[in-house]
Order: sequence, then structure tokens, then C-alpha cells
Amino acid sequence: QVTLQESGPALVKPTQTLTLTCTVSGFSLSTSGMRVSWIRQPPGKALEWLARIDWDDDKFYSTSLKTRLTISKDTSKNQVVLTMTNMDPVDTATYFCARVSGFGELFDSWGQGTLVTVSS
Amino acid sequence: DIQMTQSPSSVSASVGDRVTITCRASQGISSWLAWYQQKPGKAPKLLIYDASNLQSGVPSRFSGSGSGTDFTLTISSLQPEDFATYYCQQANSFPLTFGGGTKVELK
Repeated sequence: QVTLQESGPALVKPTQTLTLTCTVSGFSLSTSGMRVSWIRQPPGKALEWLARIDWDDDKFYSTSLKTRLTISKDTSKNQVVLTMTNMDPVDTATYFCARVSGFGELFDSWGQGTLVTVSS
Repeated sequence: DIQMTQSPSSVSASVGDRVTITCRASQGISSWLAWYQQKPGKAPKLLIYDASNLQSGVPSRFSGSGSGTDFTLTISSLQPEDFATYYCQQANSFPLTFGGGTKVELK
């Protein structure tokens, strides 16, 4: 059974760096073709794709956020980590990690999400 | 970036109604489109991929069509569990982008 679980701080202050961890099970991050993305959703708003990391360590980022994002993985821990620098209140959102489907650039399994609030 | 525009933003319907949601891409994306259903406080659930292929386990009352820039999601007979928000997502090119969502509400 494929599961993904996000973890990280619920509250960060403006200008701080956010670090989120996605722990996966039921598949290996080192298996050829495996890819994991981060997606966020501000309260009451639409989904926004942030970044993706592949089994071979290829990385892709949102155009508008690429200067602030870093995605990495620790295969031995089955974890994908997202860091976002210079946090602002507009970054308040639920952050999801999701597995990319074998059918293309879409998401067939999701974590339950973690709400991050940016406030002083 | 490819912009995805959904309409309507909300629709009021009754159980048994046929509901159609549209999604338009700002440039051609072939059939690289997915639809998701999201209920409050939950993660999105994949319904349809490649514009018209039903994800395993999804009821057959859901269907998708379209190619190029114009796509539709149809629920043939709305069930109580279908009241939710629906999102389209283009899977053609990076950065991946989602539509603004369509909320299906009880009339």
C-alpha cells in the first residue's frame, strides 16, 4: 500500500526558512521511474504545483518560486525534503506531497497535507 | 506557463442531475489533462487521466473528454458523495498547472 506523510512546523515566522519532509512507504524513491512532487493550497484557494524530484535526482521547480525552493531526497530514509526560504504570510497553505503517476505528469497518491501558517 | 481556466467556478445541482465542468488551456496540451476531486479537509483524488481515462476504482458515472485546449468532465448522475470541488491539471509541460476549481454544491 502506497502512503505519503508530510511533516514539518505548523507555524513559521516571516523571513524564516520552511523545511517539510515527506516520508513515503509502499514504494522506493530509488526505483526507476519513481517521482514525487510537492503541491500547496492556500486556504479556500486552488492547488499550486511547487517542485518535483525523480529517482535519478532530476529536479523541476515552479517558475515563480524556483529561487526560493530546494527539493532533495534521502533514499535510505524514504524521504523527500522541500525547503522554502524567505517565508511570507502569503505562503500560508496546506502543503501536500504526492507521487507522480506512471501515466504521466499527474498525481495518483497524495499525503493528507500539512497546514503551515506564516505569522509573526 | 500554461494557464488553466475552469468554468463555472461553482454549480448548484441535485442528486441525479447531469453535471458538466469545462477546462480550457491557454495553449494546446494534446490529451495531457487530469481531473481531481477534493472534499473539504482532504487531499485531492485522481479521477481521470489523459483527458478521458478513468482511474482505477472511480465510478463510471464520471467521464472526461476533449483534446487540444478544451476539455470537459461530466458526472452523468450526481450522487451525494460527489458534492466536492473539482480541479483540472495540465500534464503537458513544466511548470504543471491547475485550474481554479469548480465547486459542486447541493441545490
